[in-house]
Amino acid sequence: GESVGLHLPTLSVQEGDNSIINCAYSNSASDYFIWYKQESGKGPQFIIDIRSNMDKRQGQRVTVLLNKTVKHLSLQIAATQPGDSAVYFCAEKPGNQFYFGTGTSLTVIP
Amino acid sequence: DGGITQSPKYLFRKEGQNVTLSCEQNLNHDAMYWYRQDPGQGLRLIYYSQIVNDFQKGDIAEGYSVSREKKESFPLTVTSAQKNPTAFYLCASSVTALGYTFGSGTRLTVV
Repeated sequence: GESVGLHLPTLSVQEGDNSIINCAYSNSASDYFIWYKQESGKGPQFIIDIRSNMDKRQGQRVTVLLNKTVKHLSLQIAATQPGDSAVYFCAEKPGNQFYFGTGTSLTVIP
Repeated sequence: DGGITQSPKYLFRKEGQNVTLSCEQNLNHDAMYWYRQDPGQGLRLIYYSQIVNDFQKGDIAEGYSVSREKKESFPLTVTSAQKNPTAFYLCASSVTALGYTFGSGTRLTVV
């Protein structure tokens, strides 16, 4: 029979506010992490990456934080804009292959 | 501009029919990948290829086939053996140790 998909976690923020999206990864051997943004009907786009020897990395309006102790990754988006509305998911790389999270749907309220 | 192109954007398959999804890249990447994306689920790996004329099964290879005759091209065939093919299919390419560049996807629907 037809399978029913799970509902994505959702986050709604007011335009101009900061957004924080969280990701719990599974493999303590993962040494490289990426955040992707996926708009409806499109392929994922690279936002920012971080290696396991770092705990913070900043880009333009985005910051990724890595807590290896609790296997947690977060993406902070400053001054969120309507164009930031999308699904955001993290990817971890414990070996030669990436493993992807299910994602969080971000909606920016004008 | 360098990039990865998937076609068609939308594809409809009748029961029992094989269909082929195209993926072409001009990034000179060695590795290419096919993922399936279903609502509310993470990307699942179907097949990947790290070099021309070689490819490996991913986590959900049953009912799919691929070829890698050229570095630039990695087509995916969805065979009649795939019982639930309706999904969004993503092709990606990469160089070693870096992240993936994704195509814009093909939405396949069974009619």
